[in-house]
Amino acid sequence: AQKITQTQPGMFVQEKEAVTLDCTYDTSDPSYGLFWYKQPSSGEMIFLIYQGSYDQQNATEGRYSLNFQKARKSANLVISASQLGDSAMYFCAMREGLDRGSTLGRLYFGRGTQLTVWP
Amino acid sequence: ETGVTQSPTHLIKTRGQQVTLRCSSQSGHNTVSWYQQALGQGPQFIFQYYREEENGRGNFPPRFSGLQFPNYSSELNVNALELDDSALYLCASSLPLEGYTFGSGTRLTVV
Repeated sequence: AQKITQTQPGMFVQEKEAVTLDCTYDTSDPSYGLFWYKQPSSGEMIFLIYQGSYDQQNATEGRYSLNFQKARKSANLVISASQLGDSAMYFCAMREGLDRGSTLGRLYFGRGTQLTVWP
Repeated sequence: ETGVTQSPTHLIKTRGQQVTLRCSSQSGHNTVSWYQQALGQGPQFIFQYYREEENGRGNFPPRFSGLQFPNYSSELNVNALELDDSALYLCASSLPLEGYTFGSGTRLTVV
């Protein structure tokens, strides 16, 4: 089974509007972390936001927020007030079994969602 | 500006050849991971090094090997290149509390 599923190959949003990118995950480990990355055409993976499995509050970082629904195993990324520069590939990823402070552990990535922001 | 630098940025090799990709991370990043990202796919974990020793490996054959050096640089070596090895190779070093910092990658084309 896929560890991370992103069902939206592509999404379109008008500038200044909000957009939600979907991500579901599969793990039996009670301790895990969820990440979102942005990958522009240059190839670099840019870290956006992190949510730990034991975090009580949904994570927020500026215009990015993570809608974490643990029982549904979903971790959707919400981008508010979209900008043209937000156009990129977005990846959801998971690390199992370790807390945020750890530097060990592999990331499992989804297949990504290509976001296009239009004027 | 990313703290992880990868070289070269692009590379073309012939099937059967060997290739070495390099990664330099910031001082203090004692964990480095390598990922392969095929076109249109998400990155796939190759292996991770922690304090110069391999600390986990994905589903990649032994012809994929690596090294990590005391100066926080690392290498990914691929022997007997195959056409399917054509991909973007990403290096990531780990920062506690801030997730993984990725480099811009090396685009390898095998012809």
